[in-house]
Amino acid sequence: DTGVSQDPRHKITKRGQNVTFRCDPISEHNRLYWYRQTLGQGPEFLTYFQNEAQLEKSRLLSDRFSAERPKGSFSTLEIQRTEQGDSAMYLCASSQSGTGAYEQYFGPGTRLTVT
Amino acid sequence: QKEVEQNSGPLSVPEGAIASLNCTYSDRGSQSFFWYRQYSGKSPELIMSIYSNGDKEDGRFTAQLNKASQYVSLLIRDSQPSDSATYLCAVQRYGQNFVFGPGTRLSVLP
Repeated sequence: DTGVSQDPRHKITKRGQNVTFRCDPISEHNRLYWYRQTLGQGPEFLTYFQNEAQLEKSRLLSDRFSAERPKGSFSTLEIQRTEQGDSAMYLCASSQSGTGAYEQYFGPGTRLTVT
Repeated sequence: QKEVEQNSGPLSVPEGAIASLNCTYSDRGSQSFFWYRQYSGKSPELIMSIYSNGDKEDGRFTAQLNKASQYVSLLIRDSQPSDSATYLCAVQRYGQNFVFGPGTRLSVLP
């Protein structure tokens, strides 16, 4: 399968714990995006990378959230000291820049439940 | 004013009919427009992209863009029950992140 993959698919954690999610983009894609989606809403942008550089971060993103893409391939999203309001689907998407088409392809998502 | 607006629905159409989904956006600098389909509990799946004013057809789907009116739509011809899903409109300034609308829930009745 050459699509975007995410791990884990589901995560249940207790409030106050740290969690880390992983995303592997489509291999030839140099851009990687993280979104959060809650029920009844569209995906909300969190941050994106071009290669290993983090180019934009949402102003809404708490400093408890951090993302990395150290070698320009896979990325991790960490949430520290989780809160119940962090419960959501975390989506990763990738795209190829420089071709004039910026279509993003999503992975299956990681569903986080904070109890 | 929200950046990307869509009617939340549900929009109900009979099987075989044309479903019309609409989206308006506020950022006049937007250059790229996308429609995604999302089944319940699944991630968004890209259906169409459109970059120029006018119509773009792909099978049963037609995307329409009017930048002057800041309006983009998706028509689904010969709607099938399997088309029942939430349809998300996404808008992008050149090279920047996507802004998604809240989605319109479509129900195709057999």
